[in-house]
This record gives sequence, C-alpha cells and structure tokens, in this order.
Amino acid sequence: QQQVKQSPQSLIVQKGGISIINCAYENTAFDYFPWYQQFPGKGPALLIAIRPDVSEKKEGRFTISFNKSAKQFSLHIMDSQPGDSATYFCASPEPGTYKYIFGTGTRLKVLA
Amino acid sequence: NAGVTQTPKFRVLKTGQSMTLLCAQDMNHEYMYWYRQDPGMGLRLIHYSVGEGTTAKGEVPDGYNVSRLKKQNFLLGLESAAPSQTSVYFCASSTPYEQYFGPGTRLTVT
Repeated sequence: QQQVKQSPQSLIVQKGGISIINCAYENTAFDYFPWYQQFPGKGPALLIAIRPDVSEKKEGRFTISFNKSAKQFSLHIMDSQPGDSATYFCASPEPGTYKYIFGTGTRLKVLA
Repeated sequence: NAGVTQTPKFRVLKTGQSMTLLCAQDMNHEYMYWYRQDPGMGLRLIHYSVGEGTTAKGEVPDGYNVSRLKKQNFLLGLESAAPSQTSVYFCASSTPYEQYFGPGTRLTVT
C-alpha cells in the first residue's frame, strides 16, 4: 500500500541547474514531511523537513515546497553540484502506527 | 556519540545458513527499525520495535525474526537464508519524527 508517490525515478541535471523532485501523499493525517539523502554505500540521512503549517522551507541551496490542497511536496536543489549526486527519498511518519512511509527514491546525477 | 552502528558490514551466506545482524544505537531512542533496500524498490520495512521487549511485523517480514532485549540493541535473524534475501539491510532508530540510519549490511546469499 503505497502512500507516498515519488517522481521522477531518475534525474540528470547540469552543474548549476535546478533539480526538482516531487512527492504526492494520500494520507491527510501526515504532519511531517522530510527528505532523505543517500550516497552510494551509505545509509540515508535527513536532509531537510517541513511541517504542513508552512508552504516553504529553505536551507542553503535546498528548498521544500509544500502544497496542502494538492497533497504534494517538492524538493528543489538550486545551483546543483556534482557532490549532490545521490538518491533522494521523500517520506512521512504514518500517524498512529510508528511506521515511516518512504517514496521509492530518485537517483540524481549532476554533470560537471 | 556513534549514532547507529551495524555489524557486520558485509556477509556472504550459502542457502540454508543462518545469521544474525546486530544494530546498536546510543541516542536512547525508543523506536528501532530494520529495512531492506533492493534496486528500484526503495526501503521496505521488515520488522520494527517501539520499545524494549516489543517487536512488530513490517511490510516484508517473512523469513526474518527480530529481538529487542535491550533498548539500545535490535537484532535481525535469518534462520534459513535464501537467495531472495540478498539485499542491503539498514537499521534505523527514531524519534517520533526523524529516523537515523546505520551504514548498512550488504548480504549475499548464494
């Protein structure tokens, strides 16, 4: 039962470009929307997160945009760098279950 | 402060062999999780625990068992390994909102 749908599956961006990854969720009870970054051979690590009471959160080159009515949230990477090449997962803790729902991941490659 | 550690990092098993993967966390988290990651499949939850002495099944529990005898440790066991269990296994400990992952164990079953 997939509750978080992530797209695209893979993304290639030129250095300096903008990378955009999208997630759509189904459960309106979700109240926390993090993005995780995973480098090859490593475990995922929390990158940035947003709560539904704000529409945007920015940390350096990384921005989350949140659209409550559309039940979507997006990760924007500005001025993308080769070091950003990784797999990105959207996620949300499922209220009342102790489980964490992950998207299927987006493999980003930033060309030098 | 090591965060989440996993032992071993790599392992090769023959079909039918058994093994235990160990996860340890030093953040005093109540919640701990075992995931497997396969190409194109994202992270799939195997088992989880919401406190010492408790365990529950996740999305893909068949062929695995777990134990949480101490708050800081979460063990994942494979009683009779099968090639379908070839995967990368991640342990995570969690607050109610944020998950912290270990470095992973790469398991190959031949």
